[in-house]
Amino acid sequence: AQSVTQLGSHVSVSEGALVLLRCNYSSSVPPYLFWYVQYPNQGLQLLLKYTSAATLVKGINGFEAEFKKSETSFHLTKPSAHMSDAAEYFCAAAAYSGAGSYQLTFGKGTKLSVIP
Amino acid sequence: DAGVIQSPRHEVTEMGQEVTLRCKPISGHDYLFWYRQTMMRGLELLIYFNNNVPIDDSGMPEDRFSAKMPNASFSTLKIQPSEPRDSAVYFCASTPARVDEQFFGPGTRLTVL
Repeated sequence: AQSVTQLGSHVSVSEGALVLLRCNYSSSVPPYLFWYVQYPNQGLQLLLKYTSAATLVKGINGFEAEFKKSETSFHLTKPSAHMSDAAEYFCAAAAYSGAGSYQLTFGKGTKLSVIP
Repeated sequence: DAGVIQSPRHEVTEMGQEVTLRCKPISGHDYLFWYRQTMMRGLELLIYFNNNVPIDDSGMPEDRFSAKMPNASFSTLKIQPSEPRDSAVYFCASTPARVDEQFFGPGTRLTVL
């Protein structure tokens, strides 16, 4: 079964510092990969997605992620953290599971705190 | 478009009562998903539908849970009887294609006393 691992359930950065949220997936076939953000008391919303085009994917709010097949990773970065980036971030992978079906798996999430 | 609509936003009930959560997906989206989110288990897929047909319900925790999609614009998730361990936030999401972006509703926060 496919799994998605997010290293660090809680990450704290200073305002203006680099944001790096880690995500690794387990799949023999490169999957479709997503990063979602969840603000308090809201549903998840898409930040960016990788669908086998460019390996460096740019998303909303200045975030980007790089697909590295050799490392089975899809880490999320932002050069300079803003207070409004404080939220929970979820990595997700969709892999083909046969018979026309895809299995979508979410990581456990990483809560990002931004310190002023 | 109004996005995915869920009701109620909050539900407090007593153990043993029946609970019905409702979802209206985005018009034109053929896939609808029900998720449950808890601190302990994170985000779990319960069931998903394609064109109103349940495709994968392997995430439904037990027979107390059931989900229906009588038409393209409405789905329900029912828990009968409810138990305190069912307390969670339940999300509905829809997407036009199986591996495309999922659009999430605001969630229903369920508390079972």
